[in-house]
Amino acid sequence: KAGVTQTPRYLIKTRGQQVTLSCSPISGHRSVSWYQQTPGQGLQFLFEYFSETQRNKGNFPGRFSGRQFSNSRSEMNVSTLELGDSALYLCASSLSREWAVAGELFFGEGSRLTVL
Amino acid sequence: DQQVKQNSPSLSVQEGRISILNCDYTNSMFDYFLWYKKYPAEGPTFLISISSIKDKNEDGRFTVFLNKSAKHLSLHIVPSQPGDSAVYFCAASSPYNNNDMRFGAGTRLTVKP
Repeated sequence: KAGVTQTPRYLIKTRGQQVTLSCSPISGHRSVSWYQQTPGQGLQFLFEYFSETQRNKGNFPGRFSGRQFSNSRSEMNVSTLELGDSALYLCASSLSREWAVAGELFFGEGSRLTVL
Repeated sequence: DQQVKQNSPSLSVQEGRISILNCDYTNSMFDYFLWYKKYPAEGPTFLISISSIKDKNEDGRFTVFLNKSAKHLSLHIVPSQPGDSAVYFCAASSPYNNNDMRFGAGTRLTVKP
């Protein structure tokens, strides 16, 4: 069973540009969450999608957006990149809407974004 | 808003000894808690969880303790092995917020042979 796949794994952008990251969840998983990991800040919740609907959103500016397609694949977009956006962006999928039942997220290896 | 806090960025223990990783939370609505382990260049992987109706959950060498009154949980690893060296994230979720999961900043555990 394939795991969560994220592309690209590494990318370098310059300030002001925009970037799109892609995530393919585990087959059958309908929930996809996105997290930003930076040193000292841990995993910061960006947003979560379930059945093409954004159910929850973290405290990030509107430059960060996402969407989910009918096949559960998800993309996140960051516009007008800033130096502080350099981070590892992790996608996670889950089988069930009920966290307490499913109990866990399955993470991809992440997309490491460097903004110069 | 850092609702889940891991105040120790790093911990070093000797192989065979106990590792204790701590986590505090501020949101009393959290009712499910998890620990994830992360190796370099890999995504976090689920380790162990505990529901708020329990105060202890064991899985082999790993035990998680929950103290709801103190809003504190801890992960015990006994005995610690060099392969346990990784970054450990504490996470919490609440059914009142669509169950989105909040993570701490992580603790880097180093187990020395």
